[in-house]
Amino acid sequence: GENVEQHPSTLSVQEGDSAVIKCTYSDSASNYFPWYKQELGKGPQLIIDIRSNVGEKKDQRIAVTLNKTAKHFSLHITETQPEDSAVYFCAASIRGGSYIPTFGRGTSLIVHP
Amino acid sequence: DAGVTQSPTHLIKTRGQQVTLRCSPISGHKSVSWYQQVLGQGPQFIFQYYEKEERGRGNFPDRFSARQFPNYSSELNVNALLLGDSALYLCASSLGTSGGVDTGELFFGEGSRLTVL
Repeated sequence: GENVEQHPSTLSVQEGDSAVIKCTYSDSASNYFPWYKQELGKGPQLIIDIRSNVGEKKDQRIAVTLNKTAKHFSLHITETQPEDSAVYFCAASIRGGSYIPTFGRGTSLIVHP
Repeated sequence: DAGVTQSPTHLIKTRGQQVTLRCSPISGHKSVSWYQQVLGQGPQFIFQYYEKEERGRGNFPDRFSARQFPNYSSELNVNALLLGDSALYLCASSLGTSGGVDTGELFFGEGSRLTVL
């Protein structure tokens, strides 16, 4: 089955800095890569996703890149703000039929004011 | 619109007991998935249901079972509870249209936190 590795487990930055979280996956058939943000006491919420037919996607301060050859994808957050502090999860799944994503272990992002 | 709702939010059980967790999906969503999240880890897939049929099962023992009702709500049952079953149980709903325009986005509830003593 799919295996998703996520690094780092903890990331501490100053407000305004950039943050990068990296993930690798094992199943070359995976073609859908979502990123979820989980705030304390809440369920994960999708913040951005990318499909295998594109290499990069941006949404305001958030961007995701995908390298299918190397089987890795990354989340980039620019101009971090204290409200970006949360746990971020990457995931990989196969589009079509039932999406059943395999999640990474998560990255706790702390943005210091 | 209401999001995914789960109940109860917190519960404490003792070893050997049984527990039932409930989930109501977003209106119009036909697929419900269950995940177990142990502290400090990512969600682990348990079950997925679509139109009342099981579409996927994760690597969990037979003590775990689930079902989906005609109104698309779902229950997760865990029998003979072990200390290691202590976790946050997340329910997620999605459109679940097979081969259609399902975006794949999962909408999670806030979870049911189970503590087994």
